[in-house]
Amino acid sequence: QAGLTQPPSVSKDLRQTATLTCTGNSNNVGNQGAAWLQQHQGHPPKLLSYRNNNRPSGISERLSASRSGNTASLSITGLQPEDEADYYCSAWDSSLSAWVFGGGTKLTVL
Amino acid sequence: EVQLVESGGGLVQPGGSLRLSCEASGFTFSSYWMSWVRQAPGKGLEWVANIKQDGSDKYYVDSVKGRFTISRDNAKNSLYLQMNSLRVEDTAVYYCARGPVEYWGQGTLVTVSS
Repeated sequence: QAGLTQPPSVSKDLRQTATLTCTGNSNNVGNQGAAWLQQHQGHPPKLLSYRNNNRPSGISERLSASRSGNTASLSITGLQPEDEADYYCSAWDSSLSAWVFGGGTKLTVL
Repeated sequence: EVQLVESGGGLVQPGGSLRLSCEASGFTFSSYWMSWVRQAPGKGLEWVANIKQDGSDKYYVDSVKGRFTISRDNAKNSLYLQMNSLRVEDTAVYYCARGPVEYWGQGTLVTVSS
């Protein structure tokens, strides 16, 4: 099953803004939007945002998600060392009847 | 507090079987879709299967269709994954998840090797 497309890595300086992208198609991202997950090494993933920009309680306001057509984006402002992690997007694909994930983006904070 | 605790992982030979369990607490288990998601060593996340609240609908990734079966017991607040005809490429940490992405367990490692 085809997945979503994410850049493998992004590097940004401390206190700068990082924007991560996730490209799908009209059956997944373009249909119901995407969820964003953060995973630190050796830990399970953690939900950051669902259906484009709904943040669970406790998630920093420095994070915001959006969608334009078939591409979802996650912006993280004021980057901190703890933001260094792997980030995954995910969406339900209505044509595949399957959840699909992006390959993940490794965010490095310099 | 939502908690998901997986068990049942281990080392198994190719062609063998394993049954994973996930015990849920802290929420009304019977009200949510539940899923299994796996992550091979050093790789990304891959959705494996999910199941509707009452067990009436189930979906699988193509690579496990006919080999894996997802099930649930709402009376026991438990989710299961029966894995048969295991392959080396099934080696991964298997996560139980609500949603499938809202809450995650700590995962259980399945290693398929001779």
